[in-house]
Amino acid sequence: QVQLVQSGAEVKKPGASVKVSCKASGYTFTSYGISWVRQAPGQGLEWMGWISAYNGNTNYAQKLQGRVTMTTDTSTSTAYMELRSLRSDDTAVYYCARSSVADTTGLDYWGQGTLVTVSS
Amino acid sequence: SYELTQPPSVSVSPGQTARITCSGDALPKKYAYWYQQKSGQAPVLVIYEDSKRPSGIPERFSGSSSGTMATLTISGAQVEDEADYYCYSTDSSGNHRGVFGGGTKLTVL
Repeated sequence: QVQLVQSGAEVKKPGASVKVSCKASGYTFTSYGISWVRQAPGQGLEWMGWISAYNGNTNYAQKLQGRVTMTTDTSTSTAYMELRSLRSDDTAVYYCARSSVADTTGLDYWGQGTLVTVSS
Repeated sequence: SYELTQPPSVSVSPGQTARITCSGDALPKKYAYWYQQKSGQAPVLVIYEDSKRPSGIPERFSGSSSGTMATLTISGAQVEDEADYYCYSTDSSGNHRGVFGGGTKLTVL
């Protein structure tokens, strides 16, 4: 069965960076992409970006351009999302979701979420 | 930037039909996806490509799309369907970025 298992909760200070991992199993990793979505406390879902696990192509939300980098390690079927220059409003639960290999559609299976808290 | 608009809340009695709408200018060209999120849990896909239902999702969940509006219909809503529902689609302007609607709180009581 398809599973996405994310790394554990993080507490970071403003200005620091965080890197969240998402380990996939139960399917051929390079036949799909991975999208990242976050949810601030009490708020809705926010699309952050997408990476193709086939060729590494990326597509980032405009508001995060320059602060976010998404990568994959095909040898371990793991996707990573790094967010830099953290601010208090980056406090959120971060989710990875399996997506189409070619574009930003088709988020079907989701990870359990990783809480990132940014606080001084 | 591209936006999808949902009503903040919908309320029905058990057994009634709930309809949640999602409007966006690119929906005539782009598929809509629908997610159910219960408190403290990750979202679950309930409808993909406008009207297809993943395996394991009850038949009472259905989707449709016409023009600039997509609709999630829950026929005979159950108490356990109470949750937040989000539509998702992509921009057709060329950048293909993803976007979620603001979410709709469905109350079944």
